[in-house]
Amino acid sequence: EVQLLESGGGLVQPGGSLRLSCAASGFTFSSYAMSWVRQAPGKGLEWVSGISGRGGNTYYADSVKGRFTISRDNSKNTLYMQMNSLRGEDTAVYYCTKDINSGYVRLCDYWGQGTLVTVSS
Amino acid sequence: DIQMAQSPSSLSASVGDTVTITCRASQSISSYLNWYQQKPGKAPKLLIYTASSLQSGVPSRFSGSGSGTDFTLSISSLQPEDFATYYCQQSYSTPPLTFGQGTRLEIK
Repeated sequence: EVQLLESGGGLVQPGGSLRLSCAASGFTFSSYAMSWVRQAPGKGLEWVSGISGRGGNTYYADSVKGRFTISRDNSKNTLYMQMNSLRGEDTAVYYCTKDINSGYVRLCDYWGQGTLVTVSS
Repeated sequence: DIQMAQSPSSLSASVGDTVTITCRASQSISSYLNWYQQKPGKAPKLLIYTASSLQSGVPSRFSGSGSGTDFTLSISSLQPEDFATYYCQQSYSTPPLTFGQGTRLEIK
C-alpha cells in the first residue's frame, strides 16, 4: 500500500523558513517523480514543485521559483521542500504526491494527508 | 502555460441523479486530462486519467470523455459519498501541472 506522510508544517513569520518532509512507503521510491501541491484555505489546488525519480531534474511554479527548493533522498525514501522567504500567500496545506512517471511530472496518483503551513506575524 | 476552466463552479443534485461537469483547456491537450475528487478535510484522490481511464478502485458510475479542448466528467446514480469537489488537471504540457478551479457538488 502506497503511503505518503508529510511533516514539518507550522506557523512561521513572513520572511522565515520552513522545511517540509514526506516519508514514502509501499513503492519503489526512486522509480517515480514526486511533486508538492498546495491548497490555500478555501481555494483550489496549485502545483508547486516536482522532482524526477533520480533527483536530477527539478521543476518549480513561477510563484515559488528562487524561494523554494525541492530535493529527495532515495536512500531514506523521503521527499523534501525547503521553503525560504515565506510570504502570507504561501499559507496553505501542502500535499506530497507521487507521479506515474520517473523522469518528469505528469499527474498525481497518490497523495499524502497534507501539512499546514501558516505564514503570519 | 495551459489554463483549465471548469463549469459550473458549483452544482446541486440529489442522490440518484446523473450529473456532468465540464472542463475546457486553453489549447488542445489531446486526451491528457485527469480528474480528481476531494472531500472536505481530505486529500484529493485520482479518479480518471487520460480523459476516460478509471483509476483502480473507482466505481464505474464515474466516467470521463473528451479530447482536444473540451472534456466532461459524468457521475451516474449519485451516491451520498460522491458529494465533493472535483478538479480537472492537464498533463499534456508539464510542468507546470495546471488544475481547473474546481466544481463543488452539493446535495440538493
